[in-house]
Amino acid sequence: GAGVSQSPSNKVTEKGKDVELRCDPISGHTALYWYRQSLGQGLEFLIYFQGNSAPDKSGLPSDRFSAERTGGSVSTLTIQRTQQEDSAVYLCASSPEDRPLDTQYFGPGTRLTVL
Amino acid sequence: AQSVAQPEDQVNVAEGNPLTVKCTYSVSGNPYLFWYVQYPNRGLQFLLKYITGDNLVKGSYGFEAEFNKSQTSFHLKKPSALVSDSALYFCAVRAVSGGYNKLIFGAGTRLAVHP
Repeated sequence: GAGVSQSPSNKVTEKGKDVELRCDPISGHTALYWYRQSLGQGLEFLIYFQGNSAPDKSGLPSDRFSAERTGGSVSTLTIQRTQQEDSAVYLCASSPEDRPLDTQYFGPGTRLTVL
Repeated sequence: AQSVAQPEDQVNVAEGNPLTVKCTYSVSGNPYLFWYVQYPNRGLQFLLKYITGDNLVKGSYGFEAEFNKSQTSFHLKKPSALVSDSALYFCAVRAVSGGYNKLIFGAGTRLAVHP
């Protein structure tokens, strides 16, 4: 079946502009996660959605970052007033539920470059 | 604090030789451990996971990992390396935060398999 998809695959923007990154999880998966992978660094957790529960926003680096998940499916990560340090690959993952044993399946990522 | 350590930035192996990519963890409670692989310009692909049961876990592409509770390790292994195994490998532990679960990743180990 179809995996996690993300769009766009690449995004180049100017400093100060807003960007929106989209994630389509695997159909039927109730849990959705956003991570950031910066050059030369590991993966950093950003935000997590599980069903209709309030999202875990503990990983968002600043109030310029926000995310929503409409209808329990598609999610959008928004970065306002982008800065050069926001340049990274943004990865989305989904899992069937949020049990510790559930595997997270990742999308191909969106590479964001802020000039 | 819950964490994952991958002590080697890079591992070099000759094709046909056995390989080991090291991972140690620190977590309160039962550990749920995962290995992912990332090929160039691709998202993360799930390899295997340890939840409970046998300490030797078998996964995709001939990889396996050995869970060692006393040493808090979860090293990734393969009996005979292929050039196509060259990629970036991430170890991750499932951590419970505020009632939700998220993956905490190691910094990654680059595996280079030489012909």
